[in-house]
Amino acid sequence: QQQVKQSPQSLIVQKGGISIINCAYENTAFDYFPWYQQFPGKGPALLIAIRPDVSEKKEGRFTISFNKSAKQFSLHIMDSQPGDSATYFCAASLDYGGSQGNLIFGKGTKLSVKP
Amino acid sequence: EPEVTQTPSHQVTQMGQEVILRCVPISNHLYFYWYRQILGQKVEFLVSFYNNEISEKSEIFDDQFSVERPDGSNFTLKIRSTKLEDSAMYFCASSFDSDANTGELFFGEGSRLTVL
Repeated sequence: QQQVKQSPQSLIVQKGGISIINCAYENTAFDYFPWYQQFPGKGPALLIAIRPDVSEKKEGRFTISFNKSAKQFSLHIMDSQPGDSATYFCAASLDYGGSQGNLIFGKGTKLSVKP
Repeated sequence: EPEVTQTPSHQVTQMGQEVILRCVPISNHLYFYWYRQILGQKVEFLVSFYNNEISEKSEIFDDQFSVERPDGSNFTLKIRSTKLEDSAMYFCASSFDSDANTGELFFGEGSRLTVL
């Protein structure tokens, strides 16, 4: 019930292409869904986040699509660039009190963008 | 840009030894966290800390683990008697608020713990 399932495990995309990473969750009480980007040797950094009252959120080339009924959300990276090559983690948490920081992470997707 | 700093970056220890990992959160942040990432696996929540006490802890955070904020700047994770399976990257994180809109977690670069 507390799991967040992420796919694919790895992804290779050509420069300029669209990268799509999918996540699914089980706990319907989750109400905060962030995506984190992690470069080798660095800690995860917040990329973009969404709450279930909206179906889509866009920030620059990054878009989260959220399907509450299917309990799924996805990250789309438009015009993918070699600098986007990193590991991406989806996460979910309960947004009340201090629980927003108790993030349940997916297993990560290693994205490689080929020039 | 303010950042979360962690020390040491890498520590090698013998099984059964005590280890203390140190973190300096961002100065005006009020919520503090420890996460760990076993090599090649997902990031896992260990504990959250607010107002000088533990707010939440996971099943991983058993009696061998403890956290402390000994002064106004440091936040430490202690593992009393390390086991081989404690080998992982440990991330400290902090946030200003607990609200999702303003409570972005900022992660440090991690402390790699190797238990031999």
